[in-house]
Amino acid sequence: DADVTQTPRNRITKTGKRIMLECSQTKGHDRMYWYRQDPGLGLRLIYYSFDVKDINKGEISDGYSVSRQAQAKFSLSLESAIPNQTALYFCATSDSSTGYGGYTFGSGTRLTVV
Amino acid sequence: AQSVTQLDSQVPVFEEAPVELRCNYSSSVSVYLFWYVQYPNQGLQLLLKYLSGSTLVKGINGFEAEFNKSQTSFHLRKPSVHISDTAEYFCAVREGGGADGLTFGKGTHLIIQP
Repeated sequence: DADVTQTPRNRITKTGKRIMLECSQTKGHDRMYWYRQDPGLGLRLIYYSFDVKDINKGEISDGYSVSRQAQAKFSLSLESAIPNQTALYFCATSDSSTGYGGYTFGSGTRLTVV
Repeated sequence: AQSVTQLDSQVPVFEEAPVELRCNYSSSVSVYLFWYVQYPNQGLQLLLKYLSGSTLVKGINGFEAEFNKSQTSFHLRKPSVHISDTAEYFCAVREGGGADGLTFGKGTHLIIQP
């Protein structure tokens, strides 16, 4: 099994719908992140969480919300999806006790909003 | 705030030729630097990282990078590329002591020509 698992792998949804992307990890890392990737723009940070009770906005948090249900689970929600949220979404984890050297990424969720 | 500039959006190279992918960063504090590779339809894989110590860093698949503090650069090199190196390459930075999460460049598409 993968260390960082994202579900679903692909999703097509309609404008205005609520959608949740899920991420779970078996690495035992305390920190988790959500990024989105757009062609030609690289990856941009949406939200990050230091632990279950500590959630922080990233560079592009508008239109998104997150929930850290447990140390191993971090979900990203689009309350009312819009077409410009069509992108590839990545979850990542890191372990603060080992410094900043280890970020592990999931395989991504490709979201299309029509 | 930190930023990362990857100067080339595409780099075409003939097979078995050397390649250099350029990365410059902007930060007023100490940084940690990373190169990730994304193969078609896959997630991100860590190639190498610079945290401290020797400025020449060796990674997987024969890649290496050199941290140059005076030029604020972290260029990626490989002496002889293969068709299998065709992928998108991302440079990323994390500031020491700063807000968590990585800041990514926009990526460089490495195209290997036979």
